[in-house]
Amino acid sequence: EVHLVESGGGLVQPGGSLRLSCAASGFTFSTYSMNWVRQAPGKGLEWLSYISPSSSTIYYADSAKGRFTISRDDAKNSLHLQMNSLRAEDTAVYYCARDRIRGVDFDYWGQGTLVTVSS
Amino acid sequence: DIVMTQSPDSLAVPLGERATINCKSSQSVLYSSNNKNYLAWYQQKPGQPPKVLFYWASTRESGVPDRFSGSGSGTDFTLTISSLQAEDVAVYYCQQYYSTPRRTFGQGTKVEIK
Repeated sequence: EVHLVESGGGLVQPGGSLRLSCAASGFTFSTYSMNWVRQAPGKGLEWLSYISPSSSTIYYADSAKGRFTISRDDAKNSLHLQMNSLRAEDTAVYYCARDRIRGVDFDYWGQGTLVTVSS
Repeated sequence: DIVMTQSPDSLAVPLGERATINCKSSQSVLYSSNNKNYLAWYQQKPGQPPKVLFYWASTRESGVPDRFSGSGSGTDFTLTISSLQAEDVAVYYCQQYYSTPRRTFGQGTKVEIK
């Protein structure tokens, strides 16, 4: 059974950094494209970043470009999101999500990890 | 960016009645080379992550009840719940993946029981 478990969220001050992780199990992680999607409190879903197998292709939403870095460790079946220069508007639940097939819909999601940016 | 606009923002439907959610894209998400619409529908219940209901606009995900249906092509799409059940209370999102991997969601439609 596919499982995605996020961790690393918490309270951080504006301008601070945080590194999120997503532990994957139940499938051959190295062969799947992965994504980060976030949801601000009471708001909709926002795709943030994509990484292909072997990390050969990486994309960011404009809101993440220059501040966030996606990476993966296929040996450890893990996905990461390094977030720097955090702002209040980055407060959200952050989900990792798997591509069904590269670039199509998201067939599995983690439960999410809450990031709160506040002084 | 392709903008996805859902209507209505919320709706309240009596149990057993039909619920219809519309999704319109700012440009066609029909890929002419394979005649597929690059659109998915998700259901998100309170406190839970989203769950995919349909992809390619009308391909039902395994385990999704057949009272749910997805239809449409090009720029206009519809998610229909033929007979609303209590467990269908949720927010529903459409998503385009035509501009993959940069995917965009609609703003969501909240479905409640009337």
